[in-house]
Amino acid sequence: DVKVTQSSRYLVKRTGEKVFLECVQDMDHENMFWYRQDPGLGLRLIYFSYDVKMKEKGDIPEGYSVSREKKERFSLILESASTNQTSMYLCASSSNFREQYFGPGTRLTVT
Amino acid sequence: ENQVEHSPHFLGPQQGDVASMSCTYSVSRFNNLQWYRQNTGMGPKHLLSMYSAGYEKQKGRLNATLLKNGSSLYITAVQPEDSATYFCAPNQGNNNDMRFGAGTRLTVKP
Repeated sequence: DVKVTQSSRYLVKRTGEKVFLECVQDMDHENMFWYRQDPGLGLRLIYFSYDVKMKEKGDIPEGYSVSREKKERFSLILESASTNQTSMYLCASSSNFREQYFGPGTRLTVT
Repeated sequence: ENQVEHSPHFLGPQQGDVASMSCTYSVSRFNNLQWYRQNTGMGPKHLLSMYSAGYEKQKGRLNATLLKNGSSLYITAVQPEDSATYFCAPNQGNNNDMRFGAGTRLTVKP
């Protein structure tokens, strides 16, 4: 079974802090994705990566950056957290043209 | 712009009824269409994939049809454990990115 793990289920940070969300997949997938999910807005794509050191902006990249130094790991970075980044963050991975496998999510609260 | 719209946003059938939902989308390149289900507090899980207009797929009590720029999903004899949010997501072949939209929230009344 594919396993996608995320570093924390719940995280509380203060405004202005730098925040790292880590995601690891164990199936050698080429593609990895970061989404945020907010009530009424569904899942929105922040960034994705189709290869090591490659990244592409999704629909809402502002205020975020990503890093993919190894194939199995994709990190989402909030350089200076703000209250409007309070959300559920979901990581996913996939092989080309195939279904995405999601992690359990990280609920981030920025106070 | 890549967009996915679901209809209805909320669905509340009685146990044993048929639940019917649909989605429409606008994407720059299309490779396949996927349906996902998300239980509260968890990540979405893939249900099925379809590849070209006119394609139909049945998986247990799920029946899905792919149209030109949309899809329909029917769940027959719904049970309380079917309660979840359902998303369709078109896969764009270029970089495999997908859009999910807000989904349809299904709540089955016992």
